[in-house]
Amino acid sequence: SQQGEEDPQALSIQEGENATMNCSYKTSINNLQWYRQNSGRGLVHLILIRSNEREKHSGRLRVTLDTSKKSSSLLITASRAADTASYFCATDGGGGFKTIFGAGTRLFVKA
Amino acid sequence: DAMVIQNPRYQVTQFGKPVTLSCSQTLNHNVMYWYQQKSSQAPKLLFHYYDKDFNNEADTPDNFQSRRPNTSFCFLDIRSPGLGDAAMYLCATSATGILSYEQYFGPGTRLTVT
Repeated sequence: SQQGEEDPQALSIQEGENATMNCSYKTSINNLQWYRQNSGRGLVHLILIRSNEREKHSGRLRVTLDTSKKSSSLLITASRAADTASYFCATDGGGGFKTIFGAGTRLFVKA
Repeated sequence: DAMVIQNPRYQVTQFGKPVTLSCSQTLNHNVMYWYQQKSSQAPKLLFHYYDKDFNNEADTPDNFQSRRPNTSFCFLDIRSPGLGDAAMYLCATSATGILSYEQYFGPGTRLTVT
């Protein structure tokens, strides 16, 4: 099965609310990344967190990593309609350039 | 602007007819990747190149091949497309070194098999 599993599969919120997505993985990692994908488009890198980091911020994004639980969360604060997209976590599987994506969370932000 | 370009954006091919998808980059990155993404699923890594060193994923079907003639270009060849190969194909690149894990994606090529 895939390295990364995400929940929820889909999330619908109102503009201005916060959105939280979770990712779990199975093997040890060096880093974990989050990507966004707008419908029918390529992925855009959002943020990378290394295995020795616990929390990282970038603008309205906050990512946490708990290596003991093999899980990560992505928080988007004060969401906007333009945040509507699919969000994927990706892990390196412990080394090299192999990248394993989670199943993704589809976020709908209603204006 | 530096970018990853994929052509064509949409490709229709017939069952069993070989097809080639192309990717080019102006980022001068050492690593290039090909992913397959089926509807509402995660991207699945098919293979990657580190410079000219080809790295195939264990579960990538033999029907899928790749070529990288130079740093800028990488091709995905599907020798005998089946209906199950209809998907979005994503090309990505990354640098090496401290920023090696951040990948830059092209817009994708959507392949339809008739």
